[in-house]
Amino acid sequence: GQNIDQPTEMTATEGAIVQINCTYQTSGFNGLFWYQQHAGEAPTFLSYNVLDGLEEKGRFSSFLSRSKGYSYLLLKELQMKDSASYLCAVDRSGGYNKLIFGAGTRLAVHP
Amino acid sequence: EADIYQTPRYLVIGTGKKITLECSQTMGHDKMYWYQQDPGMELHLIHYSYGVNSTEKGDLSSESTVSRIRTEHFPLTLESARPSHTSQYLCASSGVRGSYEQYFGPGTRLTVT
Repeated sequence: GQNIDQPTEMTATEGAIVQINCTYQTSGFNGLFWYQQHAGEAPTFLSYNVLDGLEEKGRFSSFLSRSKGYSYLLLKELQMKDSASYLCAVDRSGGYNKLIFGAGTRLAVHP
Repeated sequence: EADIYQTPRYLVIGTGKKITLECSQTMGHDKMYWYQQDPGMELHLIHYSYGVNSTEKGDLSSESTVSRIRTEHFPLTLESARPSHTSQYLCASSGVRGSYEQYFGPGTRLTVT
């Protein structure tokens, strides 16, 4: 089967660092995406990893280990506006962007 | 900001009615997608298209149908709505060479009574 696992919920304090993990088992792999989705809104793109290693983009970084089927999203200097769901998604389709999504991790940032 | 639009944003309709959810993008993307998402749950791909006159069913079985007659337009139709179709429907597009991200529309929240 194909599945993507993420923690359901996480809480963190404003200004702190949080790591959201994602493990996947899919029939193919052509890259892993992280999206942010605020309640009632559409997902917005955060990062894309296709090779092993860390990709850094401002306060957000994403890591991938293809051999372990594992990724994480690292959020630094948390702000209240970072309270949202974070969706891990795998492209199985050789570049056609046919994604399978995890259920998402709801992050609550407290003052 | 992505230029992808969906109408209507909210729709409440009775059982048995035919409905069409509209999706348009002005970015010239060749790939377009329809997802279904229930509250707090994952997005499920129900239809996708790699270009004009190309449509395929996604991972989640759906009674809806789609068409792609123009690059910018990818409507979804339900011939006879049922309460089980109540959900949020999200349209997305991608396709600029070298760019992999999907841009999502604001979604249509459908309630079938």
